[in-house]
Amino acid sequence: DIQMTQSPSSLSASVGDRVTITCRASQSISAYLNWYQQTPGKAPKLLIYATSNLQTGVPSRFRGSGSGTDFTLTISGLQPEDFSTYYCQQTYSPPQAFGQGTKVEI
Amino acid sequence: EVQLLESGGGLVQPGGSLRLSCAASGFTFSNYVINWVRQAPGMGLQWVSSISGSGGTADYADSVKGRFTISRDNSKNTLYLQMNSLRAEDTAVYFCAKDRIRGSLVGAGMAFDIWGQGTMVTVSS
Repeated sequence: DIQMTQSPSSLSASVGDRVTITCRASQSISAYLNWYQQTPGKAPKLLIYATSNLQTGVPSRFRGSGSGTDFTLTISGLQPEDFSTYYCQQTYSPPQAFGQGTKVEI
Repeated sequence: EVQLLESGGGLVQPGGSLRLSCAASGFTFSNYVINWVRQAPGMGLQWVSSISGSGGTADYADSVKGRFTISRDNSKNTLYLQMNSLRAEDTAVYFCAKDRIRGSLVGAGMAFDIWGQGTMVTVSS
């Protein structure tokens, strides 16, 4: 099975900051990498699919990049509503594993 | 509005059974792979199972294979997860989520674009 490792597990930031979250796969997953945002008590929300494609309605301050085994989610100009937990997910091959999550805190 | 709504969660003893439902609306249900994903308290997300639009193909995480069965009734726009031989480690919020692309195959690499609000399953004596 493919393992997904996110770093850092948590980070502290301020409104307006640029934040970068990294996701590493245990083997190449081509571009089959998605990013989700989850706030406490809510369902995850799809932000980015296939490495770099912004889901409809997601603000352009979110950007995804990478290929193979190394991927990043960048949030430029952090907004108050962005303080959440972010998960990467590989859908290259079952089981479609998620990373352990990165909590973005104030 | 595209929506998924789970139900059926609750408290069950170890070794017991429970059936979850996920009611869909706002899209052509039979055209989409639907997935179950769970989240144990304070933990991350874990994919559980997926089923094709026709219901003819399904896949499971190793941790639930042989104990859980995914199914769907396209005439009722409803997805099910039959959970048997439940263990304490199955305690989690269970979400249903649809594939982003219509007509995709199980395990075909699609992201999950619409999620339900989740239903809590607690396995405890």
